Amino acid sequence: SQKIEQNSEALNIQEGKTATLTCNYTNYSPAYLQWYRQDPGRGPVFLLLIRENEKEKRKERLKVTFDTTLKQSLFHITASQPADSATYLCAPNSFRLRIGGATNKLIFGTGTLLAVQP
Amino acid sequence: DAGVIQSPRHEVTEMGQEVTLRCKPISGHNSLFWYRQTMMRGLELLIYFNNNVPIDDSGMPEDRFSAKMPNASFSTLKIQPSEPRDSAVYFCASSRTGANNQPQHFGDGTRLSIL
Repeated sequence: SQKIEQNSEALNIQEGKTATLTCNYTNYSPAYLQWYRQDPGRGPVFLLLIRENEKEKRKERLKVTFDTTLKQSLFHITASQPADSATYLCAPNSFRLRIGGATNKLIFGTGTLLAVQP
Repeated sequence: DAGVIQSPRHEVTEMGQEVTLRCKPISGHNSLFWYRQTMMRGLELLIYFNNNVPIDDSGMPEDRFSAKMPNASFSTLKIQPSEPRDSAVYFCASSRTGANNQPQHFGDGTRLSIL
């Protein structure tokens, strides 16, 4: 079955350092992968999308890579700040043909909690 | 701009009662998703709609769960009868289309506790 793995342990880093979060997937080949941020008591918020033919995508201090050979995406936050502390979720898409039509949906990982210490 | 609006924010009820969760998607969005989030299983898709039509309900746990989208601006998720194991945070999300190159916009969820 399709499986998404993110570091279940919290990642603690010092302010100003680069945070790197890992997302591994098995048993399928997503065409897209999205990253979301979730704060306590709130819904996830979209950050970045990367396609299978893109090696890297950047947005301000954020960078995402997508390695379809390793079946892995890395999410980097440079010059991290305490305000970056949150849970980060990766979500590759899953496309399936079935009787009655195709389905195309996101499969979310369980997330990695990032804590940036001042 | 108004985001996805869910109600109620919190619901506490006794086992066996009917529970109805409500969602208003962002205006102009054609796809709507219902998710359930628990510590053990993370964020799981229950069902999603395109243009008010259910496309994939394979994540709905069992017949006690049902979802409707009578029009483009409203959806409900109903649990009848409710059980303690249904306790979770339920999220509604919407996107412009059902294509996965579109970001999903989430509401702030309904925290459901079944006693």
